[in-house]
Amino acid sequence: AQTVTQSQPEMSVQEAETVTLSCTYDTSESNYYLFWYKQPPSRQMILVIRQEAYKQQNATENRFSVNFQKAAKSFSLKISDSQLGDTAMYFCAFMNLNSGNTPLVFGKGTRLSVIA
Amino acid sequence: DGGITQSPKYLFRKEGQNVTLSCEQNLNHDAMYWYRQDPGQGLRLIYYSQIVNDFQKGDIAEGYSVSREKKESFPLTVTSAQKNPTAFYLCASSIGLGRDSGANVLTFGAGSRLTVL
Repeated sequence: AQTVTQSQPEMSVQEAETVTLSCTYDTSESNYYLFWYKQPPSRQMILVIRQEAYKQQNATENRFSVNFQKAAKSFSLKISDSQLGDTAMYFCAFMNLNSGNTPLVFGKGTRLSVIA
Repeated sequence: DGGITQSPKYLFRKEGQNVTLSCEQNLNHDAMYWYRQDPGQGLRLIYYSQIVNDFQKGDIAEGYSVSREKKESFPLTVTSAQKNPTAFYLCASSIGLGRDSGANVLTFGAGSRLTVL
């Protein structure tokens, strides 16, 4: 079974600074998707960014970017120019495509606090 | 606006009672999911459905049941067999499983908080 590990339960960053959240995953497959979701205090889950494993180019969405290292099975999220509204739980998620249609597997999350 | 509606937002249950959490979507999505969220545990999959009248167990299906009689609806029943039901429950949907990455993006409801008294 695939597993997703987020090794940082909690992190904090000063407003306007840059922070990187770590995510590693365990799989023997080669074809998969990776996602980062955000859960603010309202608890509404929101997609931040996604990456297809077959793409070498790292995905970017405005201030959010990923560092996808396929050989190392690492998928970190970088938030630039952190804003107070970035305060949230962040979940890394993995989806395998080679073993039938199986839903996303989530990590345990990283709680990010942006400090003014 | 299209989206997912979960109800009730808060629910209290006495031990030994079954309760049903509602999940309705108007996104015309084929796939629907139920996740359970506990502090420090992330999201764990309870059940999912890719098509009407069909559903599969997730990692923690024991003590739960679902139905998918309509494309729009995927209710979750928490039975008395679930030993520790107090949790936050999230319903989600996606266009479908196993297609391009965009089709697998989950849209979530606002969640239901169940507390057993």
